[in-house]
Amino acid sequence: NAGVTQTPKFRVLKTGQSMTLLCAQDMNHEYMYWYRQDPGMGLRLIHYSVGEGTTAKGEVPDGYNVSRLKKQNFLLGLESAAPSQTSVYFCASSTGRTILSGANVLTFGAGSRLTVL
Amino acid sequence: GESVGLHLPTLSVQEGDNSIINCAYSNSASDYFIWYKQESGKGPQFIIDIRSNMDKRQGQRVTVLLNKTVKHLSLQIAATQPGDSAVYFCAARRDYKYIFGTGTRLKVLA
Repeated sequence: NAGVTQTPKFRVLKTGQSMTLLCAQDMNHEYMYWYRQDPGMGLRLIHYSVGEGTTAKGEVPDGYNVSRLKKQNFLLGLESAAPSQTSVYFCASSTGRTILSGANVLTFGAGSRLTVL
Repeated sequence: GESVGLHLPTLSVQEGDNSIINCAYSNSASDYFIWYKQESGKGPQFIIDIRSNMDKRQGQRVTVLLNKTVKHLSLQIAATQPGDSAVYFCAARRDYKYIFGTGTRLKVLA
């Protein structure tokens, strides 16, 4: 059981280049999330999805786009990378159920470290 | 906007002592809270959670306390071990969104 898998793990981009980060989960989770983590800033929510075909903005969505064409995949795109987008990106997923405690835990991937020069 | 904050960026504790990490949240509509542990170079790992209709929940060596009146929660780690050294985050959920605090680095002194 792989859980949440992020690809690639590392990437270096030049300013203005585009790229896509892929998140895949095999737990049949409904909810998926993209966060970025910067030193001293904690985890900040970029975009999230509550089901296949749906996406919504989080705290820091500018400069990013997302798509959830399949339930198991959540893609994060950078159309024109900027140095301010240098960060570690984490994908997470959750069942979204509300009945049982523990059923709403976010399960995280290992992270994708992106450097924009 | 809503926020989640931790009181101390760094906490140093002697091995074997108890650790208490605090967190404050701003949105009284938050209905669910989670504590995560993050080791260097890894993704956050679940420690313990608590729903807003509870005041306390215990796990193995860990306890989470929730005070909704002052919008505060804490993580207590009993008999802190070297393996507990990490950054600890609290998260508060409202609707579908999980908002994280900035993290407290726990250092365990031998």
